[in-house]
Amino acid sequence: AQTVTQSQPEMSVQEAETVTLSCTYDTSENNYYLFWYKQPPSRQMILVIRQEAYKQQNATENRFSVNFQKAAKSFSLKISDSQLGDTAMYFCAFMKHSRRNAGNMLTFGGGTRLMVKP
Amino acid sequence: DAGVIQSPRHEVTEMGQEVTLRCKPISGHDYLFWYRQTMMRGLELLIYFNNNVPIDDSGMPEDRFSAKMPNASFSTLKIQPSEPRDSAVYFCASSFGEPGELFFGEGSRLTVL
Repeated sequence: AQTVTQSQPEMSVQEAETVTLSCTYDTSENNYYLFWYKQPPSRQMILVIRQEAYKQQNATENRFSVNFQKAAKSFSLKISDSQLGDTAMYFCAFMKHSRRNAGNMLTFGGGTRLMVKP
Repeated sequence: DAGVIQSPRHEVTEMGQEVTLRCKPISGHDYLFWYRQTMMRGLELLIYFNNNVPIDDSGMPEDRFSAKMPNASFSTLKIQPSEPRDSAVYFCASSFGEPGELFFGEGSRLTVL
């Protein structure tokens, strides 16, 4: 079974600064996918960024980037130029690759509450 | 597309009552997931369907919980009888293909008194 750990329950950052959220995972799989989801106060889960384990290049989406360290099983999220709208819960998630129609199951970490301060 | 639609958005009921949560996935998606979110346990996968067929229901807490997907555009999660410990936010999500990005609904907040 896979486990995902987010060791920072809460974090805060000043507007326009950079913040890094940590995530580690444990798996015996070699092919898998990693995700960061954002859950604002509206409650809806929104995909922020994804990373395929077979890709060495770190994924980037505008102000969001990841530091994927496969050997260390680490997948941190960096938010640059933080904005007030980034205030939310952030969840790291793992999905194993499956050849059969049995994939797409996400295992979530416990979440990190990020507060962006003006 | 309207996204994943869940109803009701909020439900308050008394212990012992039957609760039915509803979900309409995004048209064309072939996977549907039910997740439960609580402060204590975080986000837990309850059950998921592929092409309307339940694939893995190992996350369903107990026999009081049941889920159905009679067609590609509708799913229900039923709790009968409900208990206070069932209070949580229940999310439905859908995706297409493998691996597919999961699109979540806004969740149904259930409070059982």
